[in-house]
Amino acid sequence: DAKTTQPPSMDCAEGRAANLPCNHSTISGNEYVYWYRQIHSQGPQYIIHGLKNNETNEMASLIITEDRKSSTLILPHATLRDTAVYYCIVRGNTPLVFGKGTRLSVIA
Amino acid sequence: DAGVTQSPTHLIKTRGQHVTLRCSPISGHKSVSWYQQVLGQGPQFIFQYYEKEERGRGNFPDRFSARQFPNYSSELNVNALLLGDSALYLCASSFVGASNQPQHFGDGTRLSIL
Repeated sequence: DAKTTQPPSMDCAEGRAANLPCNHSTISGNEYVYWYRQIHSQGPQYIIHGLKNNETNEMASLIITEDRKSSTLILPHATLRDTAVYYCIVRGNTPLVFGKGTRLSVIA
Repeated sequence: DAGVTQSPTHLIKTRGQHVTLRCSPISGHKSVSWYQQVLGQGPQFIFQYYEKEERGRGNFPDRFSARQFPNYSSELNVNALLLGDSALYLCASSFVGASNQPQHFGDGTRLSIL
């Protein structure tokens, strides 16, 4: 079973920041937080991952709370092409375990 | 650089047949994993291979098997196909499969069983 809890759906206005929350209260010290997204009919796309420090790349920022029990994925300027299902995954030395994710709809 | 490539993209089979799906990892990646995604659900882990050896297996029946070749490409085989095997089959590759290395996915093979 997935070790994360995400809201089933969210809306975001185009051009605004999209903040996607994820709870992972049972995370272990050696487990990473990964974010993937899946656009309809495509394979999951890797976005970002982190252990305990905040991370930023060209796609997004990942903010992990100090106790590591939750995190937020931030898409700074959402576009219509960011409409997708976003998966938050906690991973140790194990395969990826996908939950149901958050369906993000970016609205013009 | 090419990403993970899978073939074929679509496939239609009938119950009882067998199928072979193929995956070429990103150049330099030595670990390949297979996932099954049925409609409306997230991907579910089937197998992981690293250096031609099975390193993990999900909760799938023995009808599912896989192998990895010396060039790190991989095949997923499914025998005695059932209607419930209809799904998107995804292949993902990573450098060595460690927890701090992201897996990168192909766009999958969509298998339909009639």
